Amino acid sequence: GAGVSQSPSNKVTEKGKDVELRCDPISGHTALYWYRQSLGQGLEFLIYFQGNSAPDKSGLPSDRFSAERTGGSVSTLTIQRTQQEDSAVYLCASSLEMTAYGYTFGSGTRLTVV
Amino acid sequence: SQQGEEDPQALSIQEGENATMNCSYKTSINNLQWYRQNSGRGLVHLILIRSNEREKHSGRLRVTLDTSKKSSSLLITASRAADTASYFCATAPGAAGNKLTFGGGTRVLVKP
Repeated sequence: GAGVSQSPSNKVTEKGKDVELRCDPISGHTALYWYRQSLGQGLEFLIYFQGNSAPDKSGLPSDRFSAERTGGSVSTLTIQRTQQEDSAVYLCASSLEMTAYGYTFGSGTRLTVV
Repeated sequence: SQQGEEDPQALSIQEGENATMNCSYKTSINNLQWYRQNSGRGLVHLILIRSNEREKHSGRLRVTLDTSKKSSSLLITASRAADTASYFCATAPGAAGNKLTFGGGTRVLVKP
C-alpha cells in the first residue's frame, strides 16, 4: 500500500479482556516494528521483525504481549488480559532495511483500558 | 535512561524565528534520525545523518552531528505555525544494530 496502515485507530476495552492490533506495512518493506507511546512520552520499543529471521522480542513488557507477522507482511500485536497500564498509543513502522533507512510509521492505535 | 535525550523538553517561539533543539546519546551510533509528530499520532521521518557526516540540510532543516560529544542538533529556520509539533531524535546503534531508540522529544509551539 501507499503507507503503513493500522487498525483499529481507537480501541476501548475492559480490563482483563484480550485485544488484537493490526499493522499492514508498506509492500516490499522487510522490517516491521512495534513501539508504544504513553501520553507525553517518548517511544518504547516492543518488538521487530526482519524478513524470515526470528523476531527481536526484547522490548515486550510481559508475557501478556505477543506478536506475529504472517507471510512477511501483515503483523498482529496481541495483548492478553489487558491492564490499565497498557493504555497507550501503539505505533507500527516499517522500513526497507532495518535502521539504514528511515522508518515509515502508521497513525497508531490508541488503546484505552477501562 | 533513554539513548537519545532531547533538550529542551519544550520550546515556544514566534513565527519567523529559528528553533533549535539538541539530542544527546550515550553509545556509538551508525546513524541518527530526526522525526516529527503531530497530535500524538504517527511520526514522520525528517532527516537521517550518518556517523561519518557532520552536517546535513533539507529545506528549512539543518542537522549537525558531533560524535565526539555524542550530540546532535536540529535547527528549523524561519519557523511557521505548521511546524508546531513534537520532534524526536532516534539513534541506530553502531554494532549489529537493528532498531532505533527514541528520545523523549521536544515539544515545539510556533505562535502566529
